[in-house]
Amino acid sequence: ETGVTQSPTHLIKTRGQQVTLRCSSQSGHNTVSWYQQALGQGPQFIFQYYREEENGRGNFPPRFSGLQFPNYSSELNVNALELDDSALYLCASSLAGTSGGETQYFGPGTRLLVL
Amino acid sequence: GEDVEQSLFLSVREGDSSVINCTYTDSSSTYLYWYKQEPGAGLQLLTYIFSNMDMKQDQRLTVLLNKKDKHLSLRIADTQTGDSAIYFCAETRNRDDKIIFGKGTRLHILP
Repeated sequence: ETGVTQSPTHLIKTRGQQVTLRCSSQSGHNTVSWYQQALGQGPQFIFQYYREEENGRGNFPPRFSGLQFPNYSSELNVNALELDDSALYLCASSLAGTSGGETQYFGPGTRLLVL
Repeated sequence: GEDVEQSLFLSVREGDSSVINCTYTDSSSTYLYWYKQEPGAGLQLLTYIFSNMDMKQDQRLTVLLNKKDKHLSLRIADTQTGDSAIYFCAETRNRDDKIIFGKGTRLHILP
């Protein structure tokens, strides 16, 4: 158990719809990163939020957007859903600026199916 | 560029050692990780190694790093049925930076 929680655990949407996924970071962590893991693939970095600002983005279109709140929890929003957006979405929290190699702690993920 | 490559499948008899190999391209990689993912589950960090280390041992797990060849391996001693999972090799430049993952190696345990 990492202390990182995600909701919902599973979700089914249809093409063109919008979806919001939520992540609560581990207590004391101020940075949240989101990853997309398609079936049979490794996770791919979507973006990272630090102090409520986007702090790095992977190769994902603008219809993938996010928010971070003052309590460091985060949302991932995806507009105009496409079939290829079906994946496991993982969030990871960390504490920026500290030493140590404990790295980012992952939540259990939200499995999104787009029909 | 940033790329992490690993073989997709490994089959090992119960009780034997498993060795999962990985190569990476980013010479600026500072942290190298092994994650475990069981069916339908999220990612579990198994172990990590800094780029200035050659080896790290943690109970049944041994990580070897050849920085010159950009080669990382994970050895699991006395492989058990509970080790059946997908193992991801990953790297990052800085502690808070994006993590670059390989596609994962599916470890199958034979009785």
